[in-house]
Amino acid sequence: DAGVIQSPRHEVTEMGQEVTLRCKPISGHNSLFWYRQTMMRGLELLIYFNNNVPIDDSGMPEDRFSAKMPNASFSTLKIQPSEPRDSAVYFCASNLTPGQGNADTQYFGPGTRLTVL
Amino acid sequence: AQSVTQPDIHITVSEGASLELRCNYSYGATPYLFWYVQSPGQGLQLLLKYFSGDTLVQGIKGFEAEFKRSQSSFNLRKPSVHWSDAAEYFCAVGPFGAGSYQLTFGKGTKLSVIP
Repeated sequence: DAGVIQSPRHEVTEMGQEVTLRCKPISGHNSLFWYRQTMMRGLELLIYFNNNVPIDDSGMPEDRFSAKMPNASFSTLKIQPSEPRDSAVYFCASNLTPGQGNADTQYFGPGTRLTVL
Repeated sequence: AQSVTQPDIHITVSEGASLELRCNYSYGATPYLFWYVQSPGQGLQLLLKYFSGDTLVQGIKGFEAEFKRSQSSFNLRKPSVHWSDAAEYFCAVGPFGAGSYQLTFGKGTKLSVIP
């Protein structure tokens, strides 16, 4: 199994530009999570999907952030326009649907390090 | 709302010494508790988890954790630390109720190991 795949691994952009982060969950996993990690705030849940449907987006910081999951094997997190304070490491994680074995365990991708200048 | 506190931001131990990382949680019902480890430049990897039953749980890489309801704690231990254990460790709590799989993470404890 390839694990959770995220791209790009590093992104450097200028303030005001649009940024799109991508995630491919583990095949067969039905829940997908986007997290943001910073020194100041630690690991924060931004949004999570179950069966491609957004369940809770209360962690999305503001309207500049949006996330989609058009199918079970792909999700995007978009920031438009980006700002320097968005600089962070963004993680994607996935797990099985409730009721399946090990559904409680989230598997994390390697993260995307975003730097907004 | 649930919360997790990891009181130690940074711990340094000598290789071969024992280790205990502290975690305190706040949650209204029986919690589901986890410890994850993050190596530099990597994502988080599950070390162990507790849902119910025996309060002492074993994980990967020789780690164990003990759930103490009376103290609202879930401390991580290892009897003899190896240099490769240097990483950041995160405690997390989740409700797992009604299909909810949201985890709340602590701020993490960075472990340094002296050879």
